[in-house]
Amino acid sequence: SQKIEQNSEALNIQEGKTATLTCNYTNYSPAYLQWYRQDPGRGPVFLLLIRENEKEKRKERLKVTFDTTLKQSLFHITASQPADSATYLCAPSVSGGYNKLIFGAGTRLAVHP
Amino acid sequence: GAGVSQSPRYKVTKRGQDVALRCDPISGHVSLYWYRQALGQGPEFLTYFNYEAQQDKSGLPNDRFSAERPEGSISTLTIQRTEQRDSAMYRCASSLPGGGYEQYFGPGTRLTVT
Repeated sequence: SQKIEQNSEALNIQEGKTATLTCNYTNYSPAYLQWYRQDPGRGPVFLLLIRENEKEKRKERLKVTFDTTLKQSLFHITASQPADSATYLCAPSVSGGYNKLIFGAGTRLAVHP
Repeated sequence: GAGVSQSPRYKVTKRGQDVALRCDPISGHVSLYWYRQALGQGPEFLTYFNYEAQQDKSGLPNDRFSAERPEGSISTLTIQRTEQRDSAMYRCASSLPGGGYEQYFGPGTRLTVT
């Protein structure tokens, strides 16, 4: 069955540094992969989508890469700020003709001033 | 509407009772998804609707769980004969049809079965 792995431990970094979060998937080949941010007590909020034929996608301080050979996506936040502290969820798509996503458990990021 | 809404936000029920959780998606979003989220985990897929048609219910844990969307807009997730293990956050999301679109999540319903 499909399996999604994200760093289970929290990532603590200093303000201004680049945060890098990892998402590995096994046993399937997603057509695209989405990243979401979730704050405590709130629902996930969409950040970026990257398709299998795209190596890299950027949006402001965010960058996502997608390596279909390694079955891995990396999510980078440059010049991190305390406001970036949240849980980040990786969600590769599952084939089926619609927008079915399988979510990872998420990685908690804490940016310290 | 402004976003996905869900009601109630909190529901405490006794074991063995039935509960109905409601989701009102963003206007125009024909795709609707139900998820269950445990603390410290990502959302777990339960079921998917395309308009009023329930096209995927592979994630429903057992036959005590059912969902409907009779007019292609508001959806209800019903849990019959609730058990303590059903306690969780239940989230609804909606999106435009087809693949590759972002999903907009509601605030969720926190269900506690005592």
